[in-house]
Amino acid sequence: EDKVVQSPLSLVVHEGDTVTLNCSYEVTNFRSLLWYKQEKKAPTFLFMLTSSGIEKKSGRLSSILDKKELFSILNITATQTGDSAVYLCALGFSGYALNFGKGTSLLVTP
Amino acid sequence: GAVVSQHPSRVICKSGTSVKIECRSLDFQATTMFWYRQFPKKSLMLMATSNEGSKATYEQGVEKDKFLINHASLTLSTLTVTSAHPEDSSFYICSAKTGTTYEQYFGPGTRLTVT
Repeated sequence: EDKVVQSPLSLVVHEGDTVTLNCSYEVTNFRSLLWYKQEKKAPTFLFMLTSSGIEKKSGRLSSILDKKELFSILNITATQTGDSAVYLCALGFSGYALNFGKGTSLLVTP
Repeated sequence: GAVVSQHPSRVICKSGTSVKIECRSLDFQATTMFWYRQFPKKSLMLMATSNEGSKATYEQGVEKDKFLINHASLTLSTLTVTSAHPEDSSFYICSAKTGTTYEQYFGPGTRLTVT
């Protein structure tokens, strides 16, 4: 059974659009929720969220965690073709292991 | 900073042979390294966690005698796939962390094909 469920599984948007990626989970005993971007090979770190309701922002990307409703969202505004990637959400548990969702594949078309 | 390398990036081997994959943290000391496996269009699946100088902790369902992990130093961990079979063909990615943060830095992955 998947602990981390990401939606949608894939998404196609036009450049300039705003997208919202969802990550929901069923467990509550995690320490952190992390977002990664995976283009062709290695996932690169985007955000780490530990507290509910506090938005983290980096350029056109932002993310927030809702521990009451058990989900997190990743927003990308004014999308660019370089944003095309698989976005992974992961829960961090004690021992520092990460449990990843299946990812959302985003394609931004010119 | 925080660069992790993997070698080789791609390897093809015959069934029954063993393959070693190296994971190195280039500019930091990795107290913990992780090995993941990723199937096409699937998520990263954690195989094992290794702390420098101690035995690796394997996830349920991962055969420790088949996937040998050694973390001999703070900058190097190796994964050896022993007696490889075609079903072991996959993308293997390592990650490394230091300290008490959950942030992991990933290597570029190794594509293993067993013929």
